[in-house]
Amino acid sequence: EVQLVQSGAEVKKPGESLKISCKASGYTFTTYWIGWVRQMPGKGLEWMGIIYPADSDTKYSPSFQGQVTISADKSINTAYLHWSGLKASDTAIYYCARQDGSFDYWGQGTLVTVSS
Amino acid sequence: DIQMTQSPSSLSASVGDRVTITCRASHDISNSLAWYQQKPGKPPKLLLYAASRLASGVPSRFSASGSETDYTLTISSLQPEDCATYYCHHYYGTPHTFGQGTKLEIK
Repeated sequence: EVQLVQSGAEVKKPGESLKISCKASGYTFTTYWIGWVRQMPGKGLEWMGIIYPADSDTKYSPSFQGQVTISADKSINTAYLHWSGLKASDTAIYYCARQDGSFDYWGQGTLVTVSS
Repeated sequence: DIQMTQSPSSLSASVGDRVTITCRASHDISNSLAWYQQKPGKPPKLLLYAASRLASGVPSRFSASGSETDYTLTISSLQPEDCATYYCHHYYGTPHTFGQGTKLEIK
């Protein structure tokens, strides 16, 4: 059974760094892209970027390029989303999802709250 | 970048109604389009992909069609459990884009 299990909710202050995770199981991690999707409170879905864990090839949305870093550790079947300096506007739910063309399997989401 | 324009942004319909949601791409996306259903507090769920292919386990009252820039999601006979927000998503090259969403309510 394919599963994507994300790390738990985070509460951070502006300027702090954060890395959230997405652990995959039930399939060969290195043969599918993994994507990250943002959903701000009460808003729609925003495509942030994707990574191919086999070689860490990464593609970003222009809206998120330079704002976040997507990475993966294929030895532990885990993808990451990293911020070096959070802003209040980063408050959102972040989903990881497996890409097989479309996003066929999704993590449960990680709520990130950034507040002073 | 390819933009997706989804309409309507919201709609209200009765149980048993036929419901249609549309997405228009700013360029030909060659059927690289998926539809998702999202209920409050849950992640999105894949309904259809490749413009018209039903995902595993999705009821047959959901269907989709389209080509080039214009795509449609249809629910043939609305059920109470279909109350949700629906999104289209193009994956024709990067960056991908989601439509703005359609909030479907049951009258």
